[in-house]
Amino acid sequence: DTEVTQTPKHLVMGMTNKKSLKCEQHMGHRAMYWYKQKAKKPPELMFVYSYEKLSINESVPSRFSPECPNSSLLNLHLHALQPEDSALYLCASSLSAGSLNQPQHFGDGTRLSIL
Amino acid sequence: AQSVAQPEDQVNVAEGNPLTVKCTYSVSGNPYLFWYVQYPNRGLQFLLKYITGDNLVKGSYGFEAEFNKSQTSFHLKKPSALVSDSALYFCAVSFLTGNQFYFGTGTSLTVIP
Repeated sequence: DTEVTQTPKHLVMGMTNKKSLKCEQHMGHRAMYWYKQKAKKPPELMFVYSYEKLSINESVPSRFSPECPNSSLLNLHLHALQPEDSALYLCASSLSAGSLNQPQHFGDGTRLSIL
Repeated sequence: AQSVAQPEDQVNVAEGNPLTVKCTYSVSGNPYLFWYVQYPNRGLQFLLKYITGDNLVKGSYGFEAEFNKSQTSFHLKKPSALVSDSALYFCAVSFLTGNQFYFGTGTSLTVIP
């Protein structure tokens, strides 16, 4: 069992739908991350939250909208996605965004399919 | 530019034989190096890290890695491979003045019974 919980595990949506991905951790970590991963490829960083504030946005299209309601929760709001957005979306957390000598802890991801 | 390379997309090894998954890096300054494993339909799991100190690092599931500064490498090793070790392995690097982790392209390990 992972210490980072992501829901839902699978999501199928049309291009006009609005949905949200959720991530929760209770390790007291103050940095949380969203990654996009295509099959057999490395994770691609999308967003970094540090102490509930967005600190990195890797030029992600505005159809992806992150939100960090508190230190334990991270959401990714989806709207008007494209077929190429189909991927595994991974959430991760670490002690703090500045502690790059600490590992990130990953959830099992949400597998997203866009019809 | 900061980067990390995994030169082999695929590694096959017989069960019981030693395994090595290669990783080389290029960063300015002292690197922090990590290995992660990803099983099918799962997230990445942390295996081990090198920050400073002893060049031989031991991690989870019997894995170890050796930091070699002169060759800028951090190869993952295990003395005796198990079929259950079959998975996708990622090397990652960060450094003190950076702001993110850099992942290698991944190596798919298959352990043949």
